[in-house]
Amino acid sequence: GENVEQHPSTLSVQEGDSAVIKCTYSDSASNYFPWYKQELGKGPQLIIDIRSNVGEKKDQRIAVTLNKTAKHFSLHITETQPEDSAVYFCAARFNFGNEKLTFGTGTRLTIIP
Amino acid sequence: NAGVTQTPKFRILKIGQSMTLQCTQDMNHNYMYWYRQDPGMGLKLIYYSVGAGITDKGEVPNGYNVSRSTTEDFPLRLELAAPSQTSVYFCASSPEGYEQYFGPGTRLTVT
Repeated sequence: GENVEQHPSTLSVQEGDSAVIKCTYSDSASNYFPWYKQELGKGPQLIIDIRSNVGEKKDQRIAVTLNKTAKHFSLHITETQPEDSAVYFCAARFNFGNEKLTFGTGTRLTIIP
Repeated sequence: NAGVTQTPKFRILKIGQSMTLQCTQDMNHNYMYWYRQDPGMGLKLIYYSVGAGITDKGEVPNGYNVSRSTTEDFPLRLELAAPSQTSVYFCASSPEGYEQYFGPGTRLTVT
């Protein structure tokens, strides 16, 4: 089955700096890669996603890049703010009729004021 | 829209008891999912459904059952609760099986 590895497990950055979280996936047929943000005591919230026919997608301070050859994708947060502190999860969806997401183990991001 | 709602928010069960976790969505999504999240861990899929009357097992289905009689509701049944089922349970829905929208979760403790 699909396997998704996520690194690092914890990340601390100074406010205003950039943060990068990386995920690798095992199945080359995966076609959808979302990122979720989970704040303490809440459910995960989709913040950005990318499909396999696109190499990069941006939404204000957040961007996701996809390297299909290397089978990895990354979340980039620029100009970090205290409210970016949360746990971030990547996920991948296998193609061909599989409606399930396989999640990474999460990255706890702490923004240092 | 309320989105995905889950009840109860918290519950303490004794070993061997049973309960049903409720999940309702008002977005007319065909796909619904149940996950569990253990402390400091990612999300593990328990069961999912691609439409009313259709359910399938996920990664960790043992000890759980589901039903999907309507598009809106996807209850998760725990039979004979065990301490290993102590976790936070999340329900999610999706329009086409891609982006998923999560509920606020149910925190369950089995003692």
